[in-house]
Amino acid sequence: SQQGEEDPQALSIQEGENATMNCSYKTSINNLQWYRQNSGRGLVHLILIRSNEREKHSGRLRVTLDTSKKSSSLLITASRAADTASYFCATFDNYGQNFVFGPGTRLSVLP
Amino acid sequence: ETGVTQSPTHLIKTRGQQVTLRCSSQSGHNTVSWYQQALGQGPQFIFQYYREEENGRGNFPPRFSGLQFPNYSSELNVNALELDDSALYLCASTPGQYHYNEQFFGPGTRLTVL
Repeated sequence: SQQGEEDPQALSIQEGENATMNCSYKTSINNLQWYRQNSGRGLVHLILIRSNEREKHSGRLRVTLDTSKKSSSLLITASRAADTASYFCATFDNYGQNFVFGPGTRLSVLP
Repeated sequence: ETGVTQSPTHLIKTRGQQVTLRCSSQSGHNTVSWYQQALGQGPQFIFQYYREEENGRGNFPPRFSGLQFPNYSSELNVNALELDDSALYLCASTPGQYHYNEQFFGPGTRLTVL
C-alpha cells in the first residue's frame, strides 16, 4: 500500500473559497513535499516541509506537518480557476531510498 | 537554464516488444528518478540513478532497467511489454544524492501497449 494517502480524493469549490487537502503517511520521514499536476502532465513542486518544521507558507499556500500523527495538510486560500489540478503529497522515508506519492486529490475550482 | 525534457511525447507499442524512453536532466542535477503513473493514480517510483549508478529501486520487476550517462541524461528500458505497462512515464531530476530537495519533473512520455 502507498505511504502517502490524500484526503479527500476529490474536492469541488467555488472561486475565492479555501481548499484544504490532507495527507497521511506511515513511516518516519526526512521531508514531505506537495506537488501539483495539470491534466496528466508533468508535476510541479509546490512546497517542501522538513520533519523538524511544523508549518510553512508560500504565497497562497500553507502547509502543516504533524509528525506525531504522521499527517500533513495543504491549504490553498482564495482559490482561482487556475488552481484546478490534482495535488499529491510525497514523502522520502528515512530508511528506504524510496520516494512515495499518494493517490492525489483532484481539485476543481468553479468560476 | 533548460528544464527536464523527455522523448518521445507519445509512443504506441505491442505486447512483448521493448521500449526505450529518454530523459535529459536539468543542468547541474546529478540524480534522476523515473516514475510510472497509471491513469487516475499517483506516480509510482521505479528507480533512481546517482552518478551513473542505481541508487534505489521501487517494486518493479527486472524487465524495467535504466541507464544514466556522464552528462546525467538517462534512459528507461522496458522489455517484454505487458498491457499493464500502459501509463505516463515521468522522469525527475534533483541535485544531490537523495530526495532532500524538490524534484523537477519532465512532461512525461505517454506509453500505450496494445
